Amino acid sequence: DIQMTQSPSSLSASVGDRVTITCRPSQSISSYLNWYQQKPGKAPKLLIYAASSLQSGVPSRFSGSGSGTDFTLTISSLQPEDFATYYCQQSYSTLVAFGGGTKVEIK
Amino acid sequence: QVQLVESGAEVKKPGASVKVSCKASGYSFTSYYMHWVRQAPGQGLEWMGWINPNSGGTSYAQKFQGRVTMTRDTSISTAYMELSSLRSDDTAVYYCARDRRLRAVAGIDYWGQGTLVTVSS
Repeated sequence: DIQMTQSPSSLSASVGDRVTITCRPSQSISSYLNWYQQKPGKAPKLLIYAASSLQSGVPSRFSGSGSGTDFTLTISSLQPEDFATYYCQQSYSTLVAFGGGTKVEIK
Repeated sequence: QVQLVESGAEVKKPGASVKVSCKASGYSFTSYYMHWVRQAPGQGLEWMGWINPNSGGTSYAQKFQGRVTMTRDTSISTAYMELSSLRSDDTAVYYCARDRRLRAVAGIDYWGQGTLVTVSS
């Protein structure tokens, strides 16, 4: 099975900061990588699919990049509503897997 | 609009089974794979498996092989997830979630509201 490693597991940032989260699968997954945002008590929300495609309705401050074994989610200017936990997920294999999550907290 | 409505919270004893339902509406039920994902209290997301509602074909995470069964009833656009031999560490919120791509596994764009399953003696 493909293992997904996210880093950092948590970070503190201020409103307006540029934030970068990394996801590394245990093997190459081409561009079959999705990013989700989850707020406490809520279901996750799809932000980015296929590594770099912005899901409809998601603000353009979110972007994704990468391929193979190295992926990045970037929030260009952190907003108050962006404090949440972010997960990557691979869909290269039919045995889907999520990363461990990155909690973005207020500094 | 796409909606996934799950059954209500459950409390089960260790060793028992639980069956969670997920009623879909607002789209063609048989055209999109349905995933099941769980989240233990304070923990991350854990993918359990998916079902192809058209064929009934399934794929389960290795961790749940032999304990999970995913089924569907196309006549009522409902998917089911049954987990057996429950343990305390199965206590979690269980989500059904629709794949975003027609007849493929590509990511999840719609989620149910979640069903809390508590396993306690």
